[in-house]
Amino acid sequence: AQTVTQSQPEMSVQEAETVTLSCTYDTSENNYYLFWYKQPPSRQMILVIRQEAYKQQNATENRFSVNFQKAAKSFSLKISDSQLGDTAMYFCAFAISGAGSYQLTFGKGTKLSVIP
Amino acid sequence: DTGVSQDPRHKITKRGQNVTFRCDPISEHNRLYWYRQTLGQGPEFLTYFQNEAQLEKSRLLSDRFSAERPKGSFSTLEIQRTEQGDSAMYLCASSLGAGAIGGYTFGSGTRLTVV
Repeated sequence: AQTVTQSQPEMSVQEAETVTLSCTYDTSENNYYLFWYKQPPSRQMILVIRQEAYKQQNATENRFSVNFQKAAKSFSLKISDSQLGDTAMYFCAFAISGAGSYQLTFGKGTKLSVIP
Repeated sequence: DTGVSQDPRHKITKRGQNVTFRCDPISEHNRLYWYRQTLGQGPEFLTYFQNEAQLEKSRLLSDRFSAERPKGSFSTLEIQRTEQGDSAMYLCASSLGAGAIGGYTFGSGTRLTVV
C-alpha cells in the first residue's frame, strides 16, 4: 500500500516571500506520478503541479516548483513570491502509473496562510 | 464546459435515511472517481468508473454505498441507512484517459451532515 505523509499541518509565510511545503511517500512501485493540489477555503481542489517519477528534472509551473528526490521518496513544493491567493490547503498526492485506475492517494494536507 | 458539477452542495439528513448525490463530469472525460474527505484529512478514494463500468472499489465502500454511471455520463452515489460516520465531503473527479497525464478535474463536492 502507498502512503503519503505531510508533516507540517500548518504554515504561514509573508506575502512576497518563499515557502517550502514538505511531503514524503512510501511505495514499492517504480513508475508513478506525484502531484500537489491546492484546495482554497470552500472551493474546489485544483492541480498545482505534477511530476513523473521517471523524470529526473524537477517540474516547474510559474511560481511553483518541486524538489523531487526519488531515492529519499521526498517531494517538496516551493512557492516563490507568495501571494494572498495562495492561502489554501495544499495536498500532496500519489498515483501509480500503468494499468489500473490511477487513483490518487493523498496526504493529510498543509494549511498555508499568506500574511499581508 | 463548466467543469465537474456536483449536486447538491450541501445535504443534511437524519440518521437512517437514504441520500443520493450526483456528479456531472467534463463531457469528454471517460474516467470518473469518487472520493470522501473528512475534516482535517485528505480525500480518500472510494470508487472508479471507466465509461459506464465500475472497475475498482475501495474497502471504504461498504455495502450501504452504491455508485452508478449509466451510459458513461453522469454518476450517482447513494448511501443507504446513513450513519453519523458518513458525515463528510464527497468529491467527484474526472479525467480523460490515463488521468495522471493531465491531472484530474475535481468538483466542488457535496457536504453531507448526518444528524
